[in-house]
Amino acid sequence: DSGVTQTPKHLITATGQRVTLRCSPRSGDLSVYWYQQSLDQGLQFLIQYYNGEERAKGNILERFSAQQFPDLHSELNLSSLELGDSALYFCASSGEAGSPLHFGNGTRLTVT
Amino acid sequence: GESVGLHLPTLSVQEGDNSIINCAYSNSASDYFIWYKQESGKGPQFIIDIRSNMDKRQGQRVTVLLNKTVKHLSLQIAATQPGDSAVYFCAEKDPDYKLSFGAGTTVTVRA
Repeated sequence: DSGVTQTPKHLITATGQRVTLRCSPRSGDLSVYWYQQSLDQGLQFLIQYYNGEERAKGNILERFSAQQFPDLHSELNLSSLELGDSALYFCASSGEAGSPLHFGNGTRLTVT
Repeated sequence: GESVGLHLPTLSVQEGDNSIINCAYSNSASDYFIWYKQESGKGPQFIIDIRSNMDKRQGQRVTVLLNKTVKHLSLQIAATQPGDSAVYFCAEKDPDYKLSFGAGTTVTVRA
């Protein structure tokens, strides 16, 4: 168990809808990362937060947004969903700079 | 853009043999590298890491080698076991904290 908790585990929704994915980092970790894993693309970095502030941004669509709250949990909001957004969404957390990321077991999003 | 990639998408290895998984990276500014293992239905699991000021690091049954001259990273697994069957990813961290992953190598262990 990595200590990173993601909910829900599965999500099925229709195109055009909006969903929120939630992540609780490991105790004491200040950094939270979001990744998208599609069948044919591997792990794509979306965004990183450190202690509530955005630190790094990857290939995150404008329809997607995230935030990290004072209690350090994070939410990834996906709106105007398209079929191509179907993927596994992983959250990871890390402690001090230069320490490894620890991943949750992901949320599998299916857009129909 | 610069990215991390793996040389082979699949690797089949006999149980008990040693496995070597290779990875090429292109960002010379990357200062930290990590190997992850991902089993079906789970998130990536940390295996071993190495900083750019090192060229070798050993863990339990695993060794990571870093060759900065040719921007190459490898993971060696000793005495491969059935439980080692998974997808293996290398990842590099750039100075802007972004951790980029390669496409992954699927390792299948033959009994």
